[in-house]
Amino acid sequence: AQTVTQSQPEMSVQEAETVTLSCTYDTSESDYYLFWYKQPPSRQMILVIRQEAYKQQNATENRFSVNFQKAAKSFSLKISDSQLGDAAMYFCDTGANSKLTFGKGITLSVRP
Amino acid sequence: DAGVIQSPRHEVTEMGQEVTLRCKPISGHDYLFWYRQTMMRGLELLIYFNNNVPIDDSGMPEDRFSAKMPNASFSTLKIQPSEPRDSAVYFCASSYMRLVGPGELFFGEGSRLTVL
Repeated sequence: AQTVTQSQPEMSVQEAETVTLSCTYDTSESDYYLFWYKQPPSRQMILVIRQEAYKQQNATENRFSVNFQKAAKSFSLKISDSQLGDAAMYFCDTGANSKLTFGKGITLSVRP
Repeated sequence: DAGVIQSPRHEVTEMGQEVTLRCKPISGHDYLFWYRQTMMRGLELLIYFNNNVPIDDSGMPEDRFSAKMPNASFSTLKIQPSEPRDSAVYFCASSYMRLVGPGELFFGEGSRLTVL
């Protein structure tokens, strides 16, 4: 079975600063995807970034990037130049073996 | 393109009543997921389908919950009889096959259920 752990339930960042959200996972699969989703107060979940486990290069999407350490089974999300609109709940997810498993989520607040 | 469509957006009912939540996935997607979100338990996977076939329903809390997917464009999640502890936001999500499993999830806006 796959498990995902997000050990920081809440984080806070100053506007324009950088913040890193942590995620560790456990899977026996060799090929899989990893995802970060954002759930703003409006509650609809949207994809932030995707990483293929077989790729060495860390994914980047504008201000969002990941630090993927396959051996350590770690998949952190870095948000650069934080904006007020980044305030939301963030979920880490692994799609291994057709079983998508979410972490508990991290609530990120952005201080103006 | 239309995203995942869920209905109703809000449902308030009394304990013991039957509740049916509906979902229309994105056309062409072959995976459909039902999730439940509460403050206490976070986001829980209830059941998912692949090509209209239920693959894993181990997250369904008990026999009061049932889900069907009669065709590729429609799914229902039914609770009968409903109880106050079923109050939650229920999300439907769809996805498509990527490599060894589903790719990213596309979520609906959720159905907020309140059971009095």
